[in-house]
Amino acid sequence: DAMVIQNPRYQVTQFGKPVTLSCSQTLNHNVMYWYQQKSSQAPKLLFHYYDKDFNNEADTPDNFQSRRPNTSFCFLDIRSPGLGDAAMYLCATSRDRGGGLQETQYFGPGTRLLVL
Amino acid sequence: AQKVTQAQTEISVVEKEDVTLDCVYETRDTTYYLFWYKQPPSGELVFLIRRNSFDEQNEISGRYSWNFQKSTSSFNFTITASQVVDSAVYFCALSGGNNFNKFYFGSGTKLNVKP
Repeated sequence: DAMVIQNPRYQVTQFGKPVTLSCSQTLNHNVMYWYQQKSSQAPKLLFHYYDKDFNNEADTPDNFQSRRPNTSFCFLDIRSPGLGDAAMYLCATSRDRGGGLQETQYFGPGTRLLVL
Repeated sequence: AQKVTQAQTEISVVEKEDVTLDCVYETRDTTYYLFWYKQPPSGELVFLIRRNSFDEQNEISGRYSWNFQKSTSSFNFTITASQVVDSAVYFCALSGGNNFNKFYFGSGTKLNVKP
């Protein structure tokens, strides 16, 4: 089935040690998103790519970076994870954003990050 | 400013009961979209429904139904004859204005369905 895939499902890293989370999609969607979700909170948008165009949210810390080498893959890099970065990281895709039409976002299963 | 309020933090029901999850939104846009997502314990956000601001028709899908009322800025979600598998956190979300890609999520309602 076409879907959004995130690996790994659980990631443990050490304080200050760079970590990369990955997301891939078989939907051939143009837009890919990264969200951070802390316990009992709503997902918070970090950034999104429209094709190769990167769009950062104003309040996303510089510690968070992203790469999208091709349509199918998108990576979230946390350069120096702090204890406060422990969270669920959700990847989502949408077909497009053209013409003012909102496209439904489809989410992956998430990667739960633990920072020791 | 866009805002979504889900006042019910947590609801517990017994299986087969009907339950309604409330969602109230704020927006100045005339064109906007409303969504409901389900997040089971596994973590994945599952899309349930999308509704645009010009379509106030209520919708029914199996045991799920949605009541969209622009007059009260509400988009409520009812589960009929709830089942244990309905236990999850449910999020209502809004998008609109100049940036349809940005979803404004409510804080979520945790639904516990007990056998």
